[in-house]
Amino acid sequence: DQQVKQNSPSLSVQEGRISILNCDYTNSMFDYFLWYKKYPAEGPTFLISISSIKDKNEDGRFTVFLNKSAKHLSLHIVPSQPGDSAVYFCAASDWAQKLVFGQGTRLTINP
Amino acid sequence: EAGVAQSPRYKIIEKRQSVAFWCNPISGHATLYWYQQILGQGPKLLIQFQNNGVVDDSQLPKDRFSAERLKGVDSTLKIQPAKLEDSAVYLCASSLERGQETQYFGPGTRLLVL
Repeated sequence: DQQVKQNSPSLSVQEGRISILNCDYTNSMFDYFLWYKKYPAEGPTFLISISSIKDKNEDGRFTVFLNKSAKHLSLHIVPSQPGDSAVYFCAASDWAQKLVFGQGTRLTINP
Repeated sequence: EAGVAQSPRYKIIEKRQSVAFWCNPISGHATLYWYQQILGQGPKLLIQFQNNGVVDDSQLPKDRFSAERLKGVDSTLKIQPAKLEDSAVYLCASSLERGQETQYFGPGTRLLVL
């Protein structure tokens, strides 16, 4: 039972363009959503989060959008830089505050 | 500020052997988590501690996995006996408190069971 899904295992984007990573969830009790970034041989690093009372949160080049009715969130990176190449995990939590992660999307930024 | 420390970084064992992983969370972080990340999947929570008490161990295979957090600081995760399907990266994370606090992850221990 995959409650958080990232349907694109990989994404390739040209440097300077926008990267859009998508995530879908099934549990309507989730009320907090996060994106983590992971480089090889390192643990995931927190990137940005959004509460269900908002539909958008920005932090520099990173913006997360939440569409509660569609149970969908997305991470926009603009402009994309070579250092953004990593695996990105979407995660969600409910009142129990247990994080449920998606499978990850490998983003490659091409020069 | 020092991050979450884990050791060893890599471990290779044969099935039916036992193995232990160690985690030292960020100083002052009350909540500690152990995750299992199988190749191609996202991290899955195994157990969550609040100080030295267990908050959630619903996904911990208790017939072979055990974890403890003595004195509310360091933690160890043990597998005994290991199975082939236990091959994964074991991640430790910590946060200041429970709730929707940011979790900070260690580099993980990569386990290969042959």
